[in-house]
Amino acid sequence: LAKTTQPISMDSYEGQEVNITCSHNNIATNDYITWYQQFPSQGPRFIIQGYKTKVTNEVASLFIPADRKSSTLSLPRVSLSDTAVYYCLVVPLIGAGSYQLTFGKGTKLSVIP
Amino acid sequence: GAVVSQHPSWVICKSGTSVKIECRSLDFQATTMFWYRQFPKQSLMLMATSNEGSKATYEQGVEKDKFLINHASLTLSTLTVTSAHPEDSSFYICSARVPGLAINTKNIQYFGAGTRLSVL
Repeated sequence: LAKTTQPISMDSYEGQEVNITCSHNNIATNDYITWYQQFPSQGPRFIIQGYKTKVTNEVASLFIPADRKSSTLSLPRVSLSDTAVYYCLVVPLIGAGSYQLTFGKGTKLSVIP
Repeated sequence: GAVVSQHPSWVICKSGTSVKIECRSLDFQATTMFWYRQFPKQSLMLMATSNEGSKATYEQGVEKDKFLINHASLTLSTLTVTSAHPEDSSFYICSARVPGLAINTKNIQYFGAGTRLSVL
């Protein structure tokens, strides 16, 4: 399974755009890039998923370059309630380990008033 | 969206007793559920994959006789921590996939709120 690397922590002021980059150099052809958010003492929540280029939903945008070796989660105009740990995962959709989620250490985002 | 309910949210027990945690899919049928454990300030670790009507698949290092998993129906999976000890104190989280979705969304897991287990 492809391993991911992301910053341990980030700070941002309210109202700013936050970009969290994740490296996944060994990503395979069948892998999707998925991001989850976790608040303290709660289960993770799915944010966004993509395979290539750009994906946008009501919560975030996900940018994936052509080589797919990295991805960037973009959170527009963060608020205090966006303070959480953000996990980048690479998930194979077929073959060994299909659909299994392997969580890394994640990025702890702290939004400052 | 799909809702996964987990109960109880918090449990305290004496060392040596057993504790059962329930995980229910409320608005969909989940043929596969997952159980994770999370220690303070650490990431989630997959313990086992629970398949309806068959035996669970445990990850390496997880004692199947200690962490009993039952997935008797399409909406309920249970995790029983048998003879719990203080080192079993942790945050246990379940999740489920929604079957029948398009291939690019099949991997999305919906998580319960977690169960905080404290063993005295």
